Order: sequence, then C-alpha cells, then structure tokens
Amino acid sequence: RKEVEQDPGPFNVPEGATVAFNCTYSNSASQSFFWYRQDCRKEPKLLMSVYSSGNEDGRFTAQLNRASQYISLLIRDSKLSDSATYLCVVNKAGYSTLTFGKGTMLLVSP
Amino acid sequence: NAGVTQTPKFRVLKTGQSMTLLCAQDMNHEYMYWYRQDPGMGLRLIHYSVGEGTTAKGEVPDGYNVSRLKKQNFLLGLESAAPSQTSVYFCASRPSGRGEIHEQYFGPGTRLTVT
Repeated sequence: RKEVEQDPGPFNVPEGATVAFNCTYSNSASQSFFWYRQDCRKEPKLLMSVYSSGNEDGRFTAQLNRASQYISLLIRDSKLSDSATYLCVVNKAGYSTLTFGKGTMLLVSP
Repeated sequence: NAGVTQTPKFRVLKTGQSMTLLCAQDMNHEYMYWYRQDPGMGLRLIHYSVGEGTTAKGEVPDGYNVSRLKKQNFLLGLESAAPSQTSVYFCASRPSGRGEIHEQYFGPGTRLTVT
C-alpha cells in the first residue's frame, strides 16, 4: 500500500456544486495532515491543516478518520477558481519531511 | 519579501552536462527541501537540510548532490545529467520547531529538460 493514496480524477463539476475528495494513508504513526493546492504549472501552497475534530475554513471542510486512516476535503459552492490539483499531505511524528499524495484534479465549469 | 526564489526558471541540458540549481529564502527558515515533480508521480523528495551545513537524502537522491553552506541557500547539483532527470524541480523551506503546522513554502520551480 502506498504511503498516501488519492484518486487522481479529474473531478468535473459545475459551478455551485459540492465535491468531496478522499485520501488514505498507510502509516498509523502519522501525526499531522494537510491539504495543499497546486494550480497548473505553479508551486503547491497550503490550503488547510486537518485536525482530529474536523475543521472548516469558509467553503472548505476537512475531516480526519484515524481509525480508518483516511482524510477528506469537502468543497461547497464550487467556484471556477477552485479548479486545481489538491494534494493530500502527511507528516510522521519526529520526522522533518512531508509525504505528498499524487493529487486529485478538480475542474469546475460554468 | 521575496520568500523562496529559484534560479534558473528554465534550462535545457545535453546528456552528460552538469548544472547547479539555486534556491534562496529570505525567511530565516532552518529547513530546506528539494523535490522533483513528474507527471503521474507527484512530488518526490530528493534531498533536504535541517540546518546550515547539514544535508540528508530523501526518496530519490541518486544522481543529485546538495550543499547548504549558508542558511539562506540550498544548492542542488546534477553532475552528469540524464534524460531521466527531465522534470520540474521545486525547492521549499519551513521554520524549525515542534509546532503542529508544518507548512512548507515553495519556490516557483525550475523546468529542466535533458536531451
């Protein structure tokens, strides 16, 4: 099983739709979880951290299920500007490095 | 405040040539990283550094060397370029500390083609 797995997509949704991405991770010692966003031919940027109790940032909601070792990202009321690749990222306690998933592509159409 | 910068932005090399990619950050970050990103492969860590004068291997270090002589700079060297090293190279940095947030700040990338 790969360390971090994501459905590559693309997810094609109309503006205003709600879309959800899932990500699974293999190492139960993982402690910190993040979603990064990467626009086409640009560098990745932090979208949000994922906390055990779940957290929300505007239209974005992240959830963590430690028992099943998966992370989710929900985007409500999709905008054209949400079109990007979303990277699931995991850190193991005591390590200085992050493990990136290959990303899920989202395309929002008018 | 420039953040993380990378030089050059684009480069074409012939097989066997050498080059150095420069990463510079002005945020006084302790940790710096070099990644490569290939279609369908995601971001893969090449080498990283947890402080001036230190380096460590990542997931795909073969064919690359690095140096961190100054805190603000992290150099990635290709001694003898191969077509398999055609990729987009990203540098990243972050502050040290045990905080929960491990946000890495990325540079804009270097697109390297080896023919």
